[in-house]
Amino acid sequence: DAGVTQSPTHLIKTRGQQVTLRCSPKSGHDTVSWYQQALGQGPQFIFQYYEEEERQRGNFPDRFSGHQFPNYSSELNVNALLLGDSALYLCASSWTSGSNEQYFGPGTRLTVT
Amino acid sequence: AQSVTQPDIHITVSEGASLELRCNYSYGATPYLFWYVQSPGQGLQLLLKYFSGDTLVQGIKGFEAEFKRSQSSFNLRKPSVHWSDAAEYFCVHSGAGSYQLTFGKGTKLSVIP
Repeated sequence: DAGVTQSPTHLIKTRGQQVTLRCSPKSGHDTVSWYQQALGQGPQFIFQYYEEEERQRGNFPDRFSGHQFPNYSSELNVNALLLGDSALYLCASSWTSGSNEQYFGPGTRLTVT
Repeated sequence: AQSVTQPDIHITVSEGASLELRCNYSYGATPYLFWYVQSPGQGLQLLLKYFSGDTLVQGIKGFEAEFKRSQSSFNLRKPSVHWSDAAEYFCVHSGAGSYQLTFGKGTKLSVIP
C-alpha cells in the first residue's frame, strides 16, 4: 500500500518565477491538504481540497493556488515567487469521513534564489 | 483562534531514561489532538491521536499521551527512550468542524547514549 507521494523532491527557482508541486494521496483517501514548513518551524496550513474544490484555506496569499484531479491527486501552484517562499512543502491526505487524521508525504524542498 | 503551545524547544535525555514532552492547547470545544514525529530527512509520522473516550491513548513505538481537559494539556510520554527516538516532535490540534491541523512549534529531542 503506497503512502503519500510527492514530486519533485527538491526544486530551485528564481524570484518571480512560478512553481508547481505534485502530490498523490494514500490509497483510499479522497482529501488532500497542503502545508508550508519553514526552517525551524512547525508546518502551516495552506489549504485543503475535497471533491476537486478548495474546502478551507489558511492565511496565505492568492499567489498560492491548487487543484485536485478526479483521481484525488493534487497540485500546489505558487506564482511570483518570493525569497520567503523557500520552505519544505508538505502534502497530507485523509479520508473525509475520518476525524481529520492526516498522513504526510516526504515533502518538496523549494529554494528560491 | 486555535493555538498549541510546546514550552520546551529542546530536551536532552539519556538513553533508557523516561521522557515527557509537554503540550497545551487553547480551544473551547473538545479538540482532536495528535502527536507527530519528524526525523531528519523524513516526513511527518503520526504517533498517536485523541478524539474522545479514554483519556490515556497508546501509540506506536511505545509512546502514550494523556488528555487532561482541566489543564488543557496533552503530554507525550515514553517510559524508556531509545537512541532512535531522537527527532522533532509536534503536538497538533484540530478543532471540531475545522479541516486544518494546527501545529505547535515543536520540541527537538536529543538522546545521549
